[in-house]
Amino acid sequence: DQQVKQNSPSLSVQEGRISILNCDYTNSMFDYFLWYKKYPAEGPTFLISISSIKDKNEDGRFTVFLNKSAKHLSLHIVPSQPGDSAVYFCAARKPDKLIFGTGTRLQVFP
Amino acid sequence: KAGVTQTPRYLIKTRGQQVTLSCSPISGHRSVSWYQQTPGQGLQFLFEYFSETQRNKGNFPGRFSGRQFSNSRSEMNVSTLELGDSALYLCASSLAIGGASYAGANVLTFGAGSRLTVL
Repeated sequence: DQQVKQNSPSLSVQEGRISILNCDYTNSMFDYFLWYKKYPAEGPTFLISISSIKDKNEDGRFTVFLNKSAKHLSLHIVPSQPGDSAVYFCAARKPDKLIFGTGTRLQVFP
Repeated sequence: KAGVTQTPRYLIKTRGQQVTLSCSPISGHRSVSWYQQTPGQGLQFLFEYFSETQRNKGNFPGRFSGRQFSNSRSEMNVSTLELGDSALYLCASSLAIGGASYAGANVLTFGAGSRLTVL
């Protein structure tokens, strides 16, 4: 039962363009949503989060949008840079644990 | 301050053996969570310990177990290893249970992981 889904396993974007990573969830009880970024041979690092009572949160080049009616969230990276190339995991929080998606590998090419 | 430290970083075992992985959390963090990462499955929650007590458990068989010591360091053990146990095992620490983001103060901080290969 995959409660958090990232349906695109990979995404390729040109440097300077917008990257949009998507995530769908099934449980209306999630209260926070987070994005983590993972480079090879490193652990995931926290990127940005959004509370379920908000619909947008912005931090520099990163913006997360939450559409509760569609049970969908997205991460926008503008402008994309080669250093953004990594695997991105979305995660949703129940009161007592984080549930992660399967990840999307983003490649930003020059 | 030092991050989350996991040892060993890489290990190879054969089927039927057991393995113990270690995690030292960030100083002051009392919660330690363990996740298994495999291709196509993302990060799957194993269990979480807080103040030496298991507070939450994922859907893994009883061969997967863990414990936490009084200094918050944690170990996980996998007995009777199977080929499907080959994965990256990630440990994460946080100030409180559950891992969330209250003004950025309580997110999970991950270690680099222990890569287990079962032959």
